[in-house]
Amino acid sequence: KQEVTQIPAALSVPEGENLVLNCSFTDSAIYNLQWFRQDPGKGLTSLLLIQSSQREQTSGRLNASLDKSSGRSTLYIAASQPGDSATYLCAVPLHGSSNTGKLIFGQGTTLQVKP
Amino acid sequence: ETGVTQTPRHLVMGMTNKKSLKCEQHLGHNAMYWYKQSAKKPLELMFVYNFKEQTENNSVPSRFSPECPNSSHLFLHLHTLQPEDSALYLCASSQEVSGGPDTQYFGPGTRLTVL
Repeated sequence: KQEVTQIPAALSVPEGENLVLNCSFTDSAIYNLQWFRQDPGKGLTSLLLIQSSQREQTSGRLNASLDKSSGRSTLYIAASQPGDSATYLCAVPLHGSSNTGKLIFGQGTTLQVKP
Repeated sequence: ETGVTQTPRHLVMGMTNKKSLKCEQHLGHNAMYWYKQSAKKPLELMFVYNFKEQTENNSVPSRFSPECPNSSHLFLHLHTLQPEDSALYLCASSQEVSGGPDTQYFGPGTRLTVL
């Protein structure tokens, strides 16, 4: 059974710091891995999607890496800003015979960037 | 705006009420999903529809009844709910392509409170 774990559960940093969020998964047979952002009481916004054949993806100040063999992904945020404060979720789909795109989520890392 | 809308955004209902949540996607996707997000728990997939056919029911109690009349609309009919069903209900859509799922786009959610 696929399980996704995110560490740390919460993180508070001063503005300007570079930071790393961690995600691990137990079953390495994944099709891709996604990082999402969720603001309080809101839906999810997709940040980055890494295909299983890729090692990393970049979007602006965000860089996500994927190491399938070790079951790990990291989200690197450069020069953090107060607007980055949110909960960051990673998710992997189960690529079974039904091919449904069923996403398994971690519990998220809640980030607070202080001015 | 992600192209996925949900109504209502907030709902308070008694345990004997019947209500429905509505989701609409304007992205031309062929798959739609219902997720439940309870406090301090990971997002849980409830139902998956591909081309209007239900392909996944993640052991959801029968008091939750999904309906997908076409590929753009998804409903979640609620009846005789329990207080523990209070949660944020998120709808998502994606384009299922051969070989696996694509990025899911989430709506803003319906915050449900069951009294």
